[in-house]
Amino acid sequence: NAGVTQTPKFRVLKTGQSMTLLCAQDMNHEYMYWYRQDPGMGLRLIHYSVGEGTTAKGEVPDGYNVSRLKKQNFLLGLESAAPSQTSVYFCASSYGPREGGELFFGEGSRLTVL
Amino acid sequence: AQKITQTQPGMFVQEKEAVTLDCTYDTSDQSYGLFWYKQPSSGEMIFLIYQGSYDEQNATEGRYSLNFQKARKSANLVISASQLGDSAMYFCAMSHFRYQAGTALIFGKGTTLSVSS
Repeated sequence: NAGVTQTPKFRVLKTGQSMTLLCAQDMNHEYMYWYRQDPGMGLRLIHYSVGEGTTAKGEVPDGYNVSRLKKQNFLLGLESAAPSQTSVYFCASSYGPREGGELFFGEGSRLTVL
Repeated sequence: AQKITQTQPGMFVQEKEAVTLDCTYDTSDQSYGLFWYKQPSSGEMIFLIYQGSYDEQNATEGRYSLNFQKARKSANLVISASQLGDSAMYFCAMSHFRYQAGTALIFGKGTTLSVSS
């Protein structure tokens, strides 16, 4: 039972390069989220999706794009990476937090932008 | 604006003692949920406990209980009989319903708990 899988786990980019983080879940969850975690800042919501084909902006969406073409996958893209995007990125999924559904998190992806 | 505040950057407690981690929130929603997660040094996020805004009783899960005071907008986590394995970062989170955008879950900045023997 894989749960939530993030790829890649680690990546080093140069400023201006682009990349995509992939999140896959096998629990048939409707909701999926991308967060970034920085020291002293907690987890901040980047984008989220409440179902296939839908996305919404979170607290810190600038510089990121997302897509949810398939229910099980949620992609986070960086079109032109900046050093400020150096962070640990977490993907999560759930049935729906409003109904008390806990978030299931991936293991995180550590991104360094030089 | 919806916001979660955790005012204690770090807390220190001895084994077997109880500890309270503070969380206050601000929301205009009538219906919302409050969550606590634990993040050990290994980095994974572990769900601990949930409280719905209409739940009349405080939630409990083993050694964890959530002291929910709606009028004060606080949702403190109480850990009874602390163990060394409780040393970790603890995050309070709240569901936030956004019209036409569904429900997001926002987190506080976290509290680092250190348990000593």
